[in-house]
Amino acid sequence: DAKTTQPPSMDCAEGRAANLPCNHSTISGNEYVYWYRQIHSQGPQYIIHGLKNNETNEMASLIITEDRKSSTLILPHATLRDTAVYYCIVRAPYNFNKFYFGSGTKLNVKP
Amino acid sequence: NAGVMQNPRHLVRRRGQEARLRCSPVKGHSHVYWYRQLPEEGLKFMVYLQKENIIDESGMPKERFSAEFPKEGPSILRIQQVVRGDSAAYFCASSQGTENYGYTFGSGTRLTVV
Repeated sequence: DAKTTQPPSMDCAEGRAANLPCNHSTISGNEYVYWYRQIHSQGPQYIIHGLKNNETNEMASLIITEDRKSSTLILPHATLRDTAVYYCIVRAPYNFNKFYFGSGTKLNVKP
Repeated sequence: NAGVMQNPRHLVRRRGQEARLRCSPVKGHSHVYWYRQLPEEGLKFMVYLQKENIIDESGMPKERFSAEFPKEGPSILRIQQVVRGDSAAYFCASSQGTENYGYTFGSGTRLTVV
């Protein structure tokens, strides 16, 4: 699976959009980009995933660059409850179904 | 429709005792994964199981740790002769195994070895 690089921490004002970047320059053509988050001491929570097209769901939007070497997770209106560690993971299908969690980005949403 | 259920939520064991952690996957999910998270660290993959089979245990310590996912009942992660370094949060996840699906995680079991 491709390695990902994320900033260790970011701050965001409550009510503003949070844009979390992820670099995955060695991603292969069949690897998907997944985002999870872990709110303090809880189990990781799935947010969104995509292959090449931008994706949106009720939680967030995922923007993948055309060359697929980087992506951005967007939380459109961050709330205090969005304070968490956000993990960007790339994985090929049928690759033992393992997700490798790196260090992630600690998002601090401030009032 | 219950998610992944892990029990107990908290487990305290003395050094040398055995710890048994249980995980009931989402109904219909036949793939189970165990992860360990040491304090202030990220999640580390331990083992991947399907019903009655261990598919990948490359992240499991070679000694004292074992896992099973029987045909009936929950998946069990067993740690024998626990040591203080085993103190961690242990998370179980399940999936349908289909290529595009992510995992559903449980709330974890926090093991404290005293």
